[in-house]
Amino acid sequence: SAVISQKPSRDICQRGTSLTIQCQVDSQVTMMFWYRQQPGQSLTLIATANQGSEATYESGFVIDKFPISRPNLTFSTLTVSNMSPEDSSIYLCSVEEDENTEAFFGQGTRLTVV
Amino acid sequence: KQEVTQIPAALSVPEGENLVLNCSFTDSAIYNLQWFRQDPGKGLTSLLLIQSSQREQTSGRLNASLDKSSGRSTLYIAASQPGDSATYLCAVYNAGKSTFGDGTTLTVKP
Repeated sequence: SAVISQKPSRDICQRGTSLTIQCQVDSQVTMMFWYRQQPGQSLTLIATANQGSEATYESGFVIDKFPISRPNLTFSTLTVSNMSPEDSSIYLCSVEEDENTEAFFGQGTRLTVV
Repeated sequence: KQEVTQIPAALSVPEGENLVLNCSFTDSAIYNLQWFRQDPGKGLTSLLLIQSSQREQTSGRLNASLDKSSGRSTLYIAASQPGDSATYLCAVYNAGKSTFGDGTTLTVKP
């Protein structure tokens, strides 16, 4: 199983600022995903992080708000830009080798925007 | 668009009881279904993965079944313990991504 380190684990940020979340995996993985979990709700996929190319965003999420980098097969970042209180959520990184294997998650980043 | 529903939303049982959590999905063309556990404020821990060709998977006190044609899965927990208290999420994988249910929050009382 993959071990995922996600940083920071939590942060409190001022509105209008940006926060970059890091996801480091202990092995090379094909697929990396970023999810948002709003308070009391389930997970919503933000985007698929593609190595060496632009991320694939889900409906309702745009690159200007959630820029994603994936420079190699073990690392990705998600930036939450120009934050507002509505961005207060847990953000989670997930990895899978392919569609037939288990998905593994980081411990999440709890973001509070004030 | 895939939709995943979990019933019940919350469940409270006395310690030692056997219980069943339900998950249903609308599009049966899935690659796999996975059950997760989430403790408050934490990430997700994978419990069981069932491939689309499989009918069930077992791990310790947990047994998950899959009926792909009817779009249903169940997670059976035997001899529940207070440490099992958490939110249980199911997710189905198709069309290149996972879709999650809203979860069942389980409380096991000592």
